[in-house]
Amino acid sequence: DQQVKQNSPSLSVQEGRISILNCDYTNSMFDYFLWYKKYPAEGPTFLISISSIKDKNEDGRFTVFLNKSAKHLSLHIVPSQPGDSAVYFCAASFSGSARQLTFGSGTQLTVLP
Amino acid sequence: GAVVSQHPSRVICKSGTSVKIECRSLDFQATTMFWYRQFPKQSLMLMATSNEGSKATYEQGVEKDKFLINHASLTLSTLTVTSAHPEDSSFYICSAKVAPGSPLHFGNGTRLTVT
Repeated sequence: DQQVKQNSPSLSVQEGRISILNCDYTNSMFDYFLWYKKYPAEGPTFLISISSIKDKNEDGRFTVFLNKSAKHLSLHIVPSQPGDSAVYFCAASFSGSARQLTFGSGTQLTVLP
Repeated sequence: GAVVSQHPSRVICKSGTSVKIECRSLDFQATTMFWYRQFPKQSLMLMATSNEGSKATYEQGVEKDKFLINHASLTLSTLTVTSAHPEDSSFYICSAKVAPGSPLHFGNGTRLTVT
């Protein structure tokens, strides 16, 4: 049972426009969410996170939105740059558990010049 | 910043042999490290939690006798794939936290190919 889902395996966006990557989760116990970026043959790199007590967190060009009632989070990248082309994973965890992150299946973002 | 180093980045081995993958925290001490596995175009799946000075905790479905984890020091965890078979071919990634509550930092991964 996939507790963290990224339903779009790929997304193409024109340079300078906004990229919106979506993620849904089913476990209401999750209270901490993260986005990671991954290039081929490399490990994931942490991008941005959000706690369930917030509904928005912004860091430069990256903004994560959390809608707890819908169990949905999204990552906005604006403006998108060709160097943003990578696979983006959302991940979730919940406090009090020995388990660590549960990852979504990833979305391949391609930013077209 | 925090760096997690993983070695080797690529390894090709013959079926039946064993392969050791090292994960080091370069500028911090990690009492806990995590080993993930990623199949092509799939998510990262947690295999086990490596605890310094004690036994690793394996996720359901992961064979502990096949994937041996040793965390002998605060900066080094190793994953040994024993008697490797072609179905063990995958991308293995380790990770660690600099401090409680901080995000996981990942190594660059190891591409294992078993022929």
